[in-house]
Amino acid sequence: EAGVTQFPSHSVIEKGQTVTLRCDPISGHDNLYWYRRVMGKEIKFLLHFVKESKQDESGMPNNRFLAERTGGTYSTLKVQPAELEDSGVYFCASSQGLKGAGNTIYFGEGSWLTVV
Amino acid sequence: GEDVEQSLFLSVREGDSSVINCTYTDSSSTYLYWYKQEPGAGLQLLTYIFSNMDMKQDQRLTVLLNKKDKHLSLRIADTQTGDSAIYFCATMDSSYKLIFGSGTRLLVRP
Repeated sequence: EAGVTQFPSHSVIEKGQTVTLRCDPISGHDNLYWYRRVMGKEIKFLLHFVKESKQDESGMPNNRFLAERTGGTYSTLKVQPAELEDSGVYFCASSQGLKGAGNTIYFGEGSWLTVV
Repeated sequence: GEDVEQSLFLSVREGDSSVINCTYTDSSSTYLYWYKQEPGAGLQLLTYIFSNMDMKQDQRLTVLLNKKDKHLSLRIADTQTGDSAIYFCATMDSSYKLIFGSGTRLLVRP
């Protein structure tokens, strides 16, 4: 079974440009999460989808970040315009349910973003 | 809000045991996790423990949970050079978000 896949794995863009990150969760997982780790700090929650609905977007830093999950399958995270402080690794994760063993959350390899 | 604390660095000799410690503040956490991140790689789920358990063992890994003190530890027996990585402790809050510690960098010396 395929795990959580993310694209691109690495991206270098100039300040002011736009980048779109994509995440394909594990098949059948209703819950999809975005997290990020910037500048070697702790990993921080960005938002949580349940199917196509945003369950919690309290971690989104500002309105330059837009996440979508049309159709409840893959998700995109767009940063527009990118700033230097957005550099870091963006992790996507998914889980089957929210209770019991479904609480197990699986992460992708991450999209490493560098803004120059 | 919820806080998860870990020591930043641990160095051990190959073959020794490693113990990585974590403390947390949210007593309502139902699941607690250990993730591993190797250099340039993603987050790998190592193991997790349900809050009504005191201990969980999985091959070389032993997780101990002290709910009273809100202390979680990960013991790696017979540590190998391939175990060198950053280890993240995480709790799940009431809204199903993972709260991570800052990670413990484990260095295994030959």
